[in-house]
Amino acid sequence: DVKVTQSSRYLVKRTGEKVFLECVQDMDHENMFWYRQDPGLGLRLIYFSYDVKMKEKGDIPEGYSVSREKKERFSLILESASTNQTSMYLCASSSETASSYNEQFFGPGTRLTVL
Amino acid sequence: DAKTTQPTSMDCAEGRAANLPCNHSTISGNEYVYWYRQIHSQGPQYIIHGLKNNETNEMASLIITEDRKSSTLILPHATLRDTAVYYCIVRDPNTDKLIFGTGTRLQVFP
Repeated sequence: DVKVTQSSRYLVKRTGEKVFLECVQDMDHENMFWYRQDPGLGLRLIYFSYDVKMKEKGDIPEGYSVSREKKERFSLILESASTNQTSMYLCASSSETASSYNEQFFGPGTRLTVL
Repeated sequence: DAKTTQPTSMDCAEGRAANLPCNHSTISGNEYVYWYRQIHSQGPQYIIHGLKNNETNEMASLIITEDRKSSTLILPHATLRDTAVYYCIVRDPNTDKLIFGTGTRLQVFP
């Protein structure tokens, strides 16, 4: 079974803390994505990566950074967490681009609360 | 911004067909229509996708109008486990970005 795993299901942090959200996929996928999901706003793309050490800004990258040192792992970093970053964070992966069929596989999500 | 509009919520009786509509009037010729669903406390799950022709798989059928400005996802025999939020997404094949809207919350009742 293909799998995308995220390091935590629930996380509570304090304002100003540095937060790392980890995502690992076992499908040898080139592409990986980080989204956040908020009520009434749906899923919004934060960052994505097409290859190791490559990253692209999504629609809402402010306040976030990412790291992709290995193909299977994509980390989302909150340098200084703020209360407006309280959200559900979802990681996804997919195979290479230029394909008519390109399913994204999602992890279970990490619910982050910043106090 | 999402290029699709969907009703906020729908109900369906168990065992009946669930027909979920989606409008995508600004879709371009090479853009695909994708459907995902998200069951409570889980990540989204791919259901089906199409370009011009109707498509069917083990989960659902996708009917795309001839002008491609709208589509309908059909769950032929809805079960309680189909209760979820269903997202209709228009995807540019040159990128892997999926732009999610707010979806339709489908409630299947006994």
